[in-house]
Amino acid sequence: SYVLTQPPSLSVAPGETARIACGGNNIGTRSVHWYQQRPGQAPVRVMYLDNERPSGIPERFSGSNAGNTATLTISRVEAGDEADYYCQVWDSRSDYLAFGGGTKLTVL
Amino acid sequence: QVQVQESGPGLVKPAETLSLTCTVSGASTARSDYYWGWIRQAPGKGLEWIGSVYSTGSTHYNPSLQSRATINRDTSNNEFSLKLTSVTVADTGVYHCARIASVGNYLLSWGQGSLVTISS
Repeated sequence: SYVLTQPPSLSVAPGETARIACGGNNIGTRSVHWYQQRPGQAPVRVMYLDNERPSGIPERFSGSNAGNTATLTISRVEAGDEADYYCQVWDSRSDYLAFGGGTKLTVL
Repeated sequence: QVQVQESGPGLVKPAETLSLTCTVSGASTARSDYYWGWIRQAPGKGLEWIGSVYSTGSTHYNPSLQSRATINRDTSNNEFSLKLTSVTVADTGVYHCARIASVGNYLLSWGQGSLVTISS
């Protein structure tokens, strides 16, 4: 099954830019999706098909995907962005829906 | 607005079978432009896909759970279900049902989750 690797944690100051990485073999050839999960809540999709934002997600959220790394970028980070973030892909070769291990974003 | 909601026992004994149902409103489980899945999260851990069921009734499972998991769809009641046999304490966690886009394979809707504790 396809493996996605994320850093366990990332800390940024308010107003700065957070870049959350998701590594995978030739991940640039796949569509990557991102979910935000606040404590005690269900995940919420914040990016899909690499760089598409669902309605209601601020323009501060953007996505990119090339080579072996996909990145979720959060500009002008706010306290409310503090959450766990997960990347996800579908591996059609093994019919497997893969999640990254998650990155805990802390706003200092 | 499409909503999915999990239901089932919150406590299951080791070696028994965990059974959960997901009730769907605002969408049909018979449509082919999306499909349905189960995802779980152990306490303090990340998300783990359990498996999915499609409009045809066919299924895919996480290889690590394939021998114990069964997902069925009931179009007459517009719901789908999960059965996980021979559970252990390692199966304790929050179980989410979800609607998944057929094109792109991303999760469109999540249930709030059902906490299942495996304990005698």
